[in-house]
Amino acid sequence: GAGVSQTPSNKVTEKGKYVELRCDPISGHTALYWYRQSLGQGPEFLIYFQGTGAADDSGLPNDRFFAVRPEGSVSTLKIQRTERGDSAVYLCASSSGLITDTQYFGPGTRLTVL
Amino acid sequence: AQKITQTQPGMFVQEKEAVTLDCTYDTSDQSYGLFWYKQPSSGEMIFLIYQGSYDEQNATEGRYSLNFQKARKSANLVISASQLGDSAMYFCAMREGTRSTDKLIFGTGTRLQVFP
Repeated sequence: GAGVSQTPSNKVTEKGKYVELRCDPISGHTALYWYRQSLGQGPEFLIYFQGTGAADDSGLPNDRFFAVRPEGSVSTLKIQRTERGDSAVYLCASSSGLITDTQYFGPGTRLTVL
Repeated sequence: AQKITQTQPGMFVQEKEAVTLDCTYDTSDQSYGLFWYKQPSSGEMIFLIYQGSYDEQNATEGRYSLNFQKARKSANLVISASQLGDSAMYFCAMREGTRSTDKLIFGTGTRLQVFP
């Protein structure tokens, strides 16, 4: 498809486990973003990639969260030692990278930590 | 720090009527962008409309228009001729003007319900 895709759509895990969430951006988009949306809230910024490098990771809550984008396309958000408070919808967005361009979002991954 | 405020947790509108969703923002930047997104129950954030801080005219996209009042720091979304499919959460967001930081800051959203 032409839009941003995310897998899995749902992930249930146990406290303390490791999870990986994948994002496949729109083809040709150089900028990729991760956001987290808790119930009843707007999305909150986590990290932004321009190409392969993280241009801004100021939103990552702690060192249990890490994201990579090794080839400048697909990105993986990695969460170690998951906690119940990590339960949320994780949204990925991409844009062409121009300062005036729009961010287009994927359907999100709903993470539930039991 | 930048901030987006949406004071209406919920709004009701009858089909075919117009509705205004409020959004105010706070920033010290001169260059910024304002966005509205729609989030239906499926969860995906759908881009609706964009307004740049230097744009002199209000943005319009089909039935959506943005009432941009820079001095009042407001960027209200107007939906004309509401349809049942417009029922969803609506989020106002702002992007900072600094090139090195391209993140969006979102408000808490307004749930719009359109009734027949």
